[in-house]
Amino acid sequence: ELKVEQNPLFLSMQEGKNYTIYCNYSTTSDRLYWYRQDPGKSLESLFVLLSNGAVKQEGRLMASLDTKARLSTLHITAAVHDLSATYFCAVLRISGGGADGLTFGKGTHLIIQP
Amino acid sequence: NAGVMQNPRHLVRRRGQEARLRCSPMKGHSHVYWYRQLPEEGLKFMVYLQKENIIDESGMPKERFSAEFPKEGPSILRIQQVVRGDSAAYFCASSPQLNTEAFFGQGTRLTVV
Repeated sequence: ELKVEQNPLFLSMQEGKNYTIYCNYSTTSDRLYWYRQDPGKSLESLFVLLSNGAVKQEGRLMASLDTKARLSTLHITAAVHDLSATYFCAVLRISGGGADGLTFGKGTHLIIQP
Repeated sequence: NAGVMQNPRHLVRRRGQEARLRCSPMKGHSHVYWYRQLPEEGLKFMVYLQKENIIDESGMPKERFSAEFPKEGPSILRIQQVVRGDSAAYFCASSPQLNTEAFFGQGTRLTVV
């Protein structure tokens, strides 16, 4: 059974600081997603990481994937208040009939204080 | 091109009633996924459907829950005889093909009283 673990689950940080969220997963998968969710809202896709060593950046967020270590990171640079949200990583399940569905981590609740 | 449309956005049901949640995928998408999100939790996969077929329902409770995606019309997630523990946000996602990125709807927040 595929398990996805994120840490930390809660993070309070000050504006201007840097921090990293970690996502470990338990079985082979070569597709990992990062999503953002604001309270009461749907999920916004941030990054899709498809291969070992993939690195993607958008503004103050950068995501990377190490498929050998089964680890992805989401790095926040010089945080601003607008980045306060819950961030989920999700890994594509591989079932007997092929890949389907995503297995999500529990999410990292990020609060950025002015 | 409208995104994934779910309705209703909020649904209140008394214990024992039925809940029907609808999901219209994006135009051109024939793959639909349903997920459930409990408060303060990540999303849990429930079921994966293509037109007229259930491909994987391994995440769906065996009793009271059913899903369909007919040839015409939206996908329906049906919960019979709802209980308080069914209260959650239910999200639908769609994709054009297998193994391509799925796009999420706004979700239906079900409250069982």
